[in-house]
Amino acid sequence: EVQLLESGGGLTQPGESLRLSCAASGFIFSRYTMSWVRQVPRQGLEWVSGMSYSDTFYADSVKGRFSISRDNSKNTLYLQMNNLRVEDTAVYYCVRDNGGDPDNPGDHWGQGILVTVSS
Amino acid sequence: VMTQTPLSSPVTLGQPASISCTSSESLVHSNGNTYLSWLQLRPGQPPRLLIYQIFNRFSGVPDRFSGSGAGTDFTLRISRVEAEDVGVYYCMQAKHFPRTFGQGTKVEIK
Repeated sequence: EVQLLESGGGLTQPGESLRLSCAASGFIFSRYTMSWVRQVPRQGLEWVSGMSYSDTFYADSVKGRFSISRDNSKNTLYLQMNNLRVEDTAVYYCVRDNGGDPDNPGDHWGQGILVTVSS
Repeated sequence: VMTQTPLSSPVTLGQPASISCTSSESLVHSNGNTYLSWLQLRPGQPPRLLIYQIFNRFSGVPDRFSGSGAGTDFTLRISRVEAEDVGVYYCMQAKHFPRTFGQGTKVEIK
């Protein structure tokens, strides 16, 4: 069974940093591109960042502030979030992206973790 | 840019519902696949994949959900809405990064 478990969220102040982790199990982690997607309270879904085996991708809204990485030996995805802003407040989801057969990006999502940025 | 219509869809139980999604670009990948998916977001739950590559139902998705379309125009249909279908539905393109979502369509019971 595919499982994605996020951790590392919480309350922090503007300008501070947080690191999210996503522990994956139930599939060959290294074969998949993984993404982070967030949902701002009472708003829609926003893709934040993604990482294939070695390539990284970012939304313009987080470029230069967030950094995605992965440790395939630990089956874990990370999101380092620096210089956080109030508008980064959201529930962050770890998402299995492409790499499967059939190729169906977004087939598995974690339960989500809340990040609150407030002074 | 992904544009969904309508943004709200009040439906009577047992009646059909339809959501449209238009992409500003073709979602046909160079590998021949079209990476348009539909996701359901119910209160208190993470998003759930319903449909991938236009019309393929994901594992465990009831057959009252169906997807259609091609190129830039896509549709999600619910043949007979049930109470558990209440939520917000999103289309998503996964042809390239950044992934992008529609604004979401709220399905509610009249």
